[in-house]
Amino acid sequence: DGGITQSPKYLFRKEGQNVTLSCEQNLNHDAMYWYRQDPGQGLRLIYYSQIVNDFQKGDIAEGYSVSREKKESFPLTVTSAQKNPTAFYLCASTSLGQGGNQPQHFGDGTRLSIL
Amino acid sequence: QKEVEQDPGPLSVPEGAIVSLNCTYSNSAFQYFMWYRQYSRKGPELLMYTYSSGNKEDGRFTAQVDKSSKYISLFIRDSQPSDSATYLCAMSKNDYKLSFGAGTTVTVRA
Repeated sequence: DGGITQSPKYLFRKEGQNVTLSCEQNLNHDAMYWYRQDPGQGLRLIYYSQIVNDFQKGDIAEGYSVSREKKESFPLTVTSAQKNPTAFYLCASTSLGQGGNQPQHFGDGTRLSIL
Repeated sequence: QKEVEQDPGPLSVPEGAIVSLNCTYSNSAFQYFMWYRQYSRKGPELLMYTYSSGNKEDGRFTAQVDKSSKYISLFIRDSQPSDSATYLCAMSKNDYKLSFGAGTTVTVRA
């Protein structure tokens, strides 16, 4: 089945540790996105990428890093510089250039907590 | 002021009632409008996607867009307990990025 796979489902981070969240899609979508969801705040954009080897900062990129070495994969690293990383992280993807914005499709998220 | 405003609720209705959800926005550059449903501990699932002003119907769901008032709505007819979820409005300015409302939590009581 086509879709977006995020792993792990739950992740715990120790003080000073970097952790990486995985996002893989087999929808042949061009663009991929990372969002952070906190209670009562909706989804906020962290980073996005519209083409391999290129990505842009979203609204809350500080303390995060990404890479886009393959079209199918867009991993997110939460660095030790991110002082409040506890949140639900969502990955999304969409196709580009089909006569307008297409809706984004989401994975089932990774819940990150501090140990 | 946020670009997209959505009342977080919570909203509780009896089974069979009509659920009415809405969002307002401040930027007239928004052109594409979406409603997502999100169950607990899951990712958002696309329910409705519209481009123009007017109504769009899909089964028990109706989406309305009023660009002149910068107001969008989602109606759920004959609501079921399985409709209990958080509903997120989202919109785009043709830049392939989405702006989201905070989400409204809905409970349908059996």
